[in-house]
Amino acid sequence: QVQLVESGGGLVKPGGSLRLSCAASGFIFKDYYMSWVRQAPGKGLVWLSYISSSGSTFHYADSVKGRFTISRDNAKNSLYLQMNSLRDEDTAVYYCAREGHAFDIWGQGTMVTVSS
Amino acid sequence: DIQMTQSPSTLSASVGDRVTITCRASQSIDNWLAWYQQKPGKAPKLLIYKASSLESGVPSRFSGSGSGTEFTLTISGLQPDDFATYYCQQYNGYSGTFGQGTKLEIK
Repeated sequence: QVQLVESGGGLVKPGGSLRLSCAASGFIFKDYYMSWVRQAPGKGLVWLSYISSSGSTFHYADSVKGRFTISRDNAKNSLYLQMNSLRDEDTAVYYCAREGHAFDIWGQGTMVTVSS
Repeated sequence: DIQMTQSPSTLSASVGDRVTITCRASQSIDNWLAWYQQKPGKAPKLLIYKASSLESGVPSRFSGSGSGTEFTLTISGLQPDDFATYYCQQYNGYSGTFGQGTKLEIK
């Protein structure tokens, strides 16, 4: 069964850090680009970051550039998002997604709450 | 950065209706356009990719068209399960900007 499962969300204070993980199964992980997308409560979807299949190329939305770092471990079939200098406005559900036919497989999401 | 603009933001319709949602890109994206359906508390579901290709398992009442900067999603013969929020997205290997969403409500 093709599946993505996010973990690592939680409550963090402004200025803090958090590392999200996304575990892939049921497909050849190393063959696919992967992305992170977030959705603030009651708001729309926002693309955050891409990483190439090899992990050598990545791109970021301006809103997170310099604060968030995407990475992957193809040996562990895992995708990561290191989030630093977190702000109130980073509060959201964070999804990982596979780029096959567009973003064809999504995880269930993990909630990140930034609050003092 | 490429901006995506969807219209309308909200759409009221009845079961059996045919509805169209429009998405405009701020610059040409060829046909690198996808449509997603999202229901409350759930992850988005891919409906259409490359502007007009139907994702496997998606009912044929969903169709997409367009290229360049203007795109449409059409749902022919609305079913109760179709009432949800729909997003367009450009994806080009560098970024994946979404439109702001269209909430499809029951009239």
